Amino acid sequence: GAGVSQSPSNKVTEKGKDVELRCDPISGHTALYWYRQSLGQGLEFLIYFQGNSAPDKSGLPSDRFSAERTGGSVSTLTIQRTQQEDSAVYLCASSLVAGGANYGYTFGSGTRLTVV
Amino acid sequence: GQNIDQPTEMTATEGAIVQINCTYQTSGFNGLFWYQQHAGEAPTFLSYNVLDGLEEKGRFSSFLSRSKGYSYLLLKELQMKDSASYLCAVKGDNYGQNFVFGPGTRLSVLP
Repeated sequence: GAGVSQSPSNKVTEKGKDVELRCDPISGHTALYWYRQSLGQGLEFLIYFQGNSAPDKSGLPSDRFSAERTGGSVSTLTIQRTQQEDSAVYLCASSLVAGGANYGYTFGSGTRLTVV
Repeated sequence: GQNIDQPTEMTATEGAIVQINCTYQTSGFNGLFWYQQHAGEAPTFLSYNVLDGLEEKGRFSSFLSRSKGYSYLLLKELQMKDSASYLCAVKGDNYGQNFVFGPGTRLSVLP
């Protein structure tokens, strides 16, 4: 696609429920990243995928968080047993090569998750 | 450890010039990026510096001093649409392929 697409744009869920967030990167971009942005905070790295390499999961805050990337394209971030502190905007970004060369990433518009 | 500092908020007047500073301490350095993020929208790329000096791009300029761990984003002829958060991000050696982002500076441009 022309840009990075994320869905849903907004998600309200009850504490304890599982949620799935989807990211469709720019076609041909081999690297895909998930970040979390809490209100008034900077972007917090969660996980990144590069081609067929094992993902870098070093930023996932707990074992309730997991992510997959199927066929080197679409990625799904899953949060199990959601907690109120999981409320944030979840941003996905992709780049043509790992590290994004001189132009950094192209971000999606994010999914605003609210856990009530 | 890794740390990036920016002022939390700044206010400036339409037509004026504003400088947003960023200081960083990171393990290695492979470039510094500035992003603009309007409320409720995705961050968009503004500038990239990897060598010392000033990079100018229209109304926006970005400066880097690697020895001081310091950068600034300079916005000239401010417009109301420049009201946004400005994120400083550093690509270091030990972060794999990802960047470390600062907390962002929320700029309000007043008429």
